[in-house]
Amino acid sequence: DTEVTQTPKHLVMGMTNKKSLKCEQHMGHRAMYWYKQKAKKPPELMFVYSYEKLSINESVPSRFSPECPNSSLLNLHLHALQPEDSALYLCASSQVALGRVIGNEQFFGPGTRLTVL
Amino acid sequence: EDKVVQSPLSLVVHEGDTVTLNCSYEVTNFRSLLWYKQEKKAPTFLFMLTSSGIEKKSGRLSSILDKKELSSILNITATQTGDSAIYLCAVEAIQGAQKLVFGQGTRLTINP
Repeated sequence: DTEVTQTPKHLVMGMTNKKSLKCEQHMGHRAMYWYKQKAKKPPELMFVYSYEKLSINESVPSRFSPECPNSSLLNLHLHALQPEDSALYLCASSQVALGRVIGNEQFFGPGTRLTVL
Repeated sequence: EDKVVQSPLSLVVHEGDTVTLNCSYEVTNFRSLLWYKQEKKAPTFLFMLTSSGIEKKSGRLSSILDKKELSSILNITATQTGDSAIYLCAVEAIQGAQKLVFGQGTRLTINP
């Protein structure tokens, strides 16, 4: 199984709503990521989890709250979002080998297309 | 600040042509360089390059890394309309855990 799955595929929410994005992988990877991608732009890193611990937060506003309940699951909780947060949210995973140089591909999920009204 | 720059930003060619996409980078603690193809949704992995001068090939696609010049090229020969996509270059830097810095992408259009 070399797949990263994300749900939902599409999400429309109001600025007062609370919603969650979900990501799952069963490749035994110990690093998982959230990216945000606006139209015609490359993905921008938001968060990195390594061994279920948050290791990188790229100064993301607190209205985005990540959670890694176990090594296979990654959630992104959304609250009080703004219309400019509308984007494609991509989850990715990779093996982690800290301190060693080995191939470390990132596999991406299909993304959640988020629209904030 | 870590930076990855791709060129050209956009390229339109005819089916059967050969194209070369460029990627240059400035990052601290370089680990590897990756190429992705993005059509409508998620980027799909093409190549990972860690050693300078060693070409990776997959069918009509090939890529090589030049660590001295801090750059990489992606070649596509005998292009087909299905090669139309955005090609993303990303560099892996070590910062506690793996971090990918993406370039802005090259939008490749193959006309029949």
